[in-house]
Amino acid sequence: DAGVTQSPTHLIKTRGQQVTLRCSPKSGHDTVSWYQQALGQGPQFIFQYYEEEERQRGNFPDRFSGHQFPNYSSELNVNALLLGDSALYLCASSSKYRNRELFFGEGSRLTVL
Amino acid sequence: QQQVKQSPQSLIVQKGGISIINCAYENTAFDYFPWYQQFPGKGPALLIAIRPDVSEKKEGRFTISFNKSAKQFSLHIMDSQPGDSATYFCAASMGGGGADGLTFGKGTHLIIQP
Repeated sequence: DAGVTQSPTHLIKTRGQQVTLRCSPKSGHDTVSWYQQALGQGPQFIFQYYEEEERQRGNFPDRFSGHQFPNYSSELNVNALLLGDSALYLCASSSKYRNRELFFGEGSRLTVL
Repeated sequence: QQQVKQSPQSLIVQKGGISIINCAYENTAFDYFPWYQQFPGKGPALLIAIRPDVSEKKEGRFTISFNKSAKQFSLHIMDSQPGDSATYFCAASMGGGGADGLTFGKGTHLIIQP
């Protein structure tokens, strides 16, 4: 049973560019959440997707957007990258029956130069 | 902004000892308090969680103690082992109609010395 998978694992971008990160949830899960983890900090909630809609959003600007597909996989898009966007981006999945239990992927490490 | 304050920032415990990590929260609407363990290069993994109607929950060597009036909760790791060396995060969320986003503490870097 595959857990949460994320791609790419590492990537380097330049200020002003755009990036797309991808996530496949754990089998049987239908809800995907995205978190940003800066070095040495706890993860910060970006947003959550359920039934292909953004259900809740944290304190992140509109440069951060997402999408959920019918197969429950998800994408995180960040436009106009800033140096401060350098972080580990974590995807977490859960099921509607046990929606508090989040399973995290290993993350995508984004470096903005 | 809703906050969860975690201490200590780092902790060194001898093998076989008890590791204790503390967290305090402000928002009384929080109703779910999990602890996550994160190894380098890995995503956080759920260890144990508690709801405010319970004062203590134990799973194996891991125990959460919860003090609703003080708005504090703590993680105790009994018989700490070198394999427990990791970063630990407390978190909190509100319920409502679904799973709200987790608010994490800043983490505690735990080292268990052999």
